Amino acid sequence: DTEVTQTPKHLVMGMTNKKSLKCEQHMGHRAMYWYKQKAKKPPELMFVYSYEKLSINESVPSRFSPECPNSSLLNLHLHALQPEDSALYLCASSHGGVWTGAYEQYFGPGTRLTVT
Amino acid sequence: GESVGLHLPTLSVQEGDNSIINCAYSNSASDYFIWYKQESGKGPQFIIDIRSNMDKRQGQRVTVLLNKTVKHLSLQIAATQPGDSAVYFCAEIEGHHAGNMLTFGGGTRLMVKP
Repeated sequence: DTEVTQTPKHLVMGMTNKKSLKCEQHMGHRAMYWYKQKAKKPPELMFVYSYEKLSINESVPSRFSPECPNSSLLNLHLHALQPEDSALYLCASSHGGVWTGAYEQYFGPGTRLTVT
Repeated sequence: GESVGLHLPTLSVQEGDNSIINCAYSNSASDYFIWYKQESGKGPQFIIDIRSNMDKRQGQRVTVLLNKTVKHLSLQIAATQPGDSAVYFCAEIEGHHAGNMLTFGGGTRLMVKP
């Protein structure tokens, strides 16, 4: 199983709503990532979890709150978003770390988020 | 928001021809490079990778070339097919981290004409 799954595929939310994005992988990967991708732009890193601990936060606003309940799951909690937060949110995973020498990140299909 | 008129560089090739997509990277300390393919409505898909101690690596119909002197990476696709139409991103990783930070290039759209 080399698949990263994300739910939902599409999400429309108002600026006062609270919602969550979910990501799951069963490849035994110990590093998981959230990226944001605007149209016609490359993905931008938001958060990195390594061994279920947040290791990198790329100065993301607090209205985005990541959570890693276990080694297979990664959530992104959303609250009080702005219309400019509308984007494709991608989850990825990798073996992580120099001890594996495997840097390749596997991406999910993304959640298309629209904030109204 | 998105700038009006912003567009990706586009490479248009005839089906069956070879394609070459180029990428300039900025960090001379980067030691690992990946090419990703992203089709419309999908996440990036791994194509091929190369470490900084190599200058060429071949896969099935694809070849990646690395020139560290001028910090240039290229992806060659042989006998391009309509299914190759997508946006292609190069990405680089520097050093060893608990989580590996990919830095993506701007992307190139490949359009294959039948």
